[in-house]
Amino acid sequence: SQTIHQWPATLVQPVGSPLSLECTVEGTSNPNLYWYRQAAGRGLQLLFYSVGIGQISSEVPQNLSASRPQDRQFILSSKKLLLSDSGFYLCAWRPRGRGDTQYFGPGTRLTVL
Amino acid sequence: TQLLEQSPQFLSIQEGENLTVYCNSSSVFSSLQWYRQEPGEGPVLLVTVVTGGEVKKLKRLTFQFGDARKDSSLHITAAQPGDTGLYLCAGHTSGTYKYIFGTGTRLKVLA
Repeated sequence: SQTIHQWPATLVQPVGSPLSLECTVEGTSNPNLYWYRQAAGRGLQLLFYSVGIGQISSEVPQNLSASRPQDRQFILSSKKLLLSDSGFYLCAWRPRGRGDTQYFGPGTRLTVL
Repeated sequence: TQLLEQSPQFLSIQEGENLTVYCNSSSVFSSLQWYRQEPGEGPVLLVTVVTGGEVKKLKRLTFQFGDARKDSSLHITAAQPGDTGLYLCAGHTSGTYKYIFGTGTRLKVLA
C-alpha cells in the first residue's frame, strides 16, 4: 500500500530564517506531487506541483520554492521566511495515469515569529 | 477561473440529526472528491465520484454527483460526534494537473 510522509510535523522559525519541508511517498512510482498551504482550517491554496524529477510548476509568486530531487521526494524551501508564510503545509500525491484522486500527507504546522 | 462554493460554511447540530452539505460550480468536472479533515491533520479521502448522477454510500454518508457534473452533495444521516470536522470538496478536470478546492464546511455535532 502507498503511504505519504511529511516532516517535521511542527516547526517554529524566526523571520528571515531558511525553511526546508520534506515529503516522501512510498509504494508507488512516478506520482504527481503537490504542495498546498491551508490557512485557518479552510480551503487549500496550491503552491507547487510536479509531474517528474526536476519538473516544478509554480502557482503562486512568493518567496517559496520547491524541488524534486528524487522520484518520490518533494521539498518545499525558502531562503528567508516571512511572517505571512505561517500556515499548515500539506503535501499530496496522485497516481500517474490512474484515476483522479489525490491523497494527502499529515501536514506540517509552520509558525514564523 | 474555476471556483467551487461550499455551503453552509459552518454547521452545528445535535447528535442524531440529518444534514446536507453542498458543493457548487459553474464549471464541469471530470471527477469530484470529498475529504474530511480534523484539526492538525491532513484531509482524508471519503469518496471520488466520476459519473454524472452517480450516488455513492459510505455507511451513514451519501454522496451525489450532479447530472451535469457541476455540483455535488454530501448527506449525513443520524450525525454522530465522530462526524465532526472540516469537509472539503475538490474538483478535477481530465488532462489537467490541478484540483479546485471548495472553501470547506466546518461541522460540529454535539452529543
